[in-house]
Amino acid sequence: NAGVMQNPRHLVRRRGQEARLRCSPMKGHSHVYWYRQLPEEGLKFMVYLQKENIIDESGMPKERFSAEFPKEGPSILRIQQVVRGDSAAYFCASSLGLAGFYEQYFGPGTRLTVT
Amino acid sequence: DQQVKQNSPSLSVQEGRISILNCDYTNSMFDYFLWYKKYPAEGPTFLISISSIKDKNEDGRFTVFLNKSAKHLSLHIVPSQPGDSAVYFCAARGDNDMRFGAGTRLTVKP
Repeated sequence: NAGVMQNPRHLVRRRGQEARLRCSPMKGHSHVYWYRQLPEEGLKFMVYLQKENIIDESGMPKERFSAEFPKEGPSILRIQQVVRGDSAAYFCASSLGLAGFYEQYFGPGTRLTVT
Repeated sequence: DQQVKQNSPSLSVQEGRISILNCDYTNSMFDYFLWYKKYPAEGPTFLISISSIKDKNEDGRFTVFLNKSAKHLSLHIVPSQPGDSAVYFCAARGDNDMRFGAGTRLTVKP
């Protein structure tokens, strides 16, 4: 009964490179959320996806960030042309349904460092 | 816009005593509140929740109190144990997501 899996756990990128973060939800979960935690800050909602659909991306920066949750395979958070300010821990959570109505289970996070 | 606020970044208590973690919110439409606990290098895990129709929910050593008129909730841990040392996040259910506070780092000293 594997929990939410995220990989890689640590990712180092130089400025201008692309970062790809992967999230495999718990078995049976079709709702995925991405959060970002900046140093000394709380978790900030980024995007909410269901299979093949972006439901709410109101927390995503307008440029360089994109997310997908294909029919098969993990959810991907992509950051193009990374900058130092993108350095943060990125957490994925999955649930059976809408967050708050159904319990969210978090992955261990991916710590992105931009040098 | 910080709709959920935890104004104390850290709290230190002695083992066996009560830990009180506070959380304020601004959106009166929030109807469900949760507390998460997070250890280093791990994702947050659900701890306890409360619906806005209640003012108290208890689960073992953990009790959450909700004061709707003040838009304030608190988490009480009694008695505190060293294993409770972690970062605690308050969260409120939004339209499609959870709104989290910045977290409070609790340290329980033996």
